[in-house]
Amino acid sequence: QVQLVESGGGVVQPGGSLRLSCAASKFNFSTYDMHWVRQAPGRGLEWVAFIRFDGSNKYYADSVKGRFTISRDNSKNTLYLQMNSLRAEDTAVYYCASGGFDWGQGTLVTVSS
Amino acid sequence: QSVLTQPPSASGTPGQRVTISCPGRSSNIGSNSVNWYQQFPGTAPKLLIYSNNQRPSGVPDRFSGSKSGTSASLAISGLQSEDEADYYCAAWDASLNAWVFGGGTKLTVL
Repeated sequence: QVQLVESGGGVVQPGGSLRLSCAASKFNFSTYDMHWVRQAPGRGLEWVAFIRFDGSNKYYADSVKGRFTISRDNSKNTLYLQMNSLRAEDTAVYYCASGGFDWGQGTLVTVSS
Repeated sequence: QSVLTQPPSASGTPGQRVTISCPGRSSNIGSNSVNWYQQFPGTAPKLLIYSNNQRPSGVPDRFSGSKSGTSASLAISGLQSEDEADYYCAAWDASLNAWVFGGGTKLTVL
């Protein structure tokens, strides 16, 4: 059973930073492309970022480009999302997803003063 | 505005067949496979259909997916009360280099 466990969410002031982690287990993490997807309260799913299995390609939604950075450490089976210059509109549950198949339970990020 | 356009709501009575449409463009559905996700309130999305029409292990065959040109559809037959959830379509968009989602369809079982 694939396991993806996000962590690192919390409350942060506008302009602040957070780093989310997604610990992967029970599958060959290093061979899977990964995504971050978020869901604002009461809203639909919004894709945030993608990273190729080997880290060779990264893509971002326009809404986070230049502020968020996706990365991975295949030796630690962990995916990351560094979020800088956070805005109120970044408030959401953030999910990691493996190639679109399996999803973590999500971690809540609240940007508020 | 979502790149993929889903109806915001759908409904049916138990036993009925319901279809949810997901029109897209040549750069997404027209050239890449479509996934469908089911989401209950307060929980993570769950893969329902992948590669347009494939069901993961454990998904009942009441759920089926199809794709024609730049549009995809999810059909649920023999509707049950436990099918009441939000449903999302998704596909990679080669022009945007983005994974695009539909806005979601809230299914109500009357």
